[in-house]
Amino acid sequence: QVQLVQSGAEVKKPGASVKVSCKASGYTFTSYYMHWVRQAPGQGLEWMGIINPSGGSTSYAQKFQGRVTMTRDTSTSTVYMELSSLRSEDTAVYYCARTSPSGSSAFDIWGQGTMVTVSS
Amino acid sequence: DIQMTQSPSSLSASVGDRVTITCRASQSISSYLNWYQQKPGKAPKLLIYAASSLQSGVPSRFSGSGSGTDFTLTISSLQPEDFATYYCQQSYSTPRITFGPGTKVDIK
Repeated sequence: QVQLVQSGAEVKKPGASVKVSCKASGYTFTSYYMHWVRQAPGQGLEWMGIINPSGGSTSYAQKFQGRVTMTRDTSTSTVYMELSSLRSEDTAVYYCARTSPSGSSAFDIWGQGTMVTVSS
Repeated sequence: DIQMTQSPSSLSASVGDRVTITCRASQSISSYLNWYQQKPGKAPKLLIYAASSLQSGVPSRFSGSGSGTDFTLTISSLQPEDFATYYCQQSYSTPRITFGPGTKVDIK
């Protein structure tokens, strides 16, 4: 079945970097753009950026420009999101989500989420 | 960026109630509006895309309407499993997606 499986929870110190992975299966990896969305504890959903798994092109939310890098490995059908210069406000659950084939740019498949805790 | 608002921010309802949630965009987004349901500790789930199209596998008690700047999600008869938080999302300015702040539906 179509699914996205993310890497496990991380605990990082302020100033460090974190790299979260998202492995796709059950569909043609290069055919659908992938997004990253985060959710701070008790808060709403925040879009971080998008990657084209085919060519590797990316677009990031202005808020994260310069701190976030999204990459992909087509050999393993995996996308990665690396966030640097972590601060306490980056404590959140990070999700990858696939763009729906419906053409609406909705997110039809989500990973299970990866909790990233930033604490000294 | 396109700003999204939702009302109410929370509501209490009973099983069997008809529930309506409103989403408004800061500018016209045509029908590029999607709705998600999120339960505690879980990833969001796509319910409605393109304002009114029901995602495969989603019960028909969920419906969406609207275009331009004003949109509505309706649950025709609230079921116990529908108690959750609902988010709207605009995809008009793709790839620069924005979500609404959410509406929490809980038990009266």
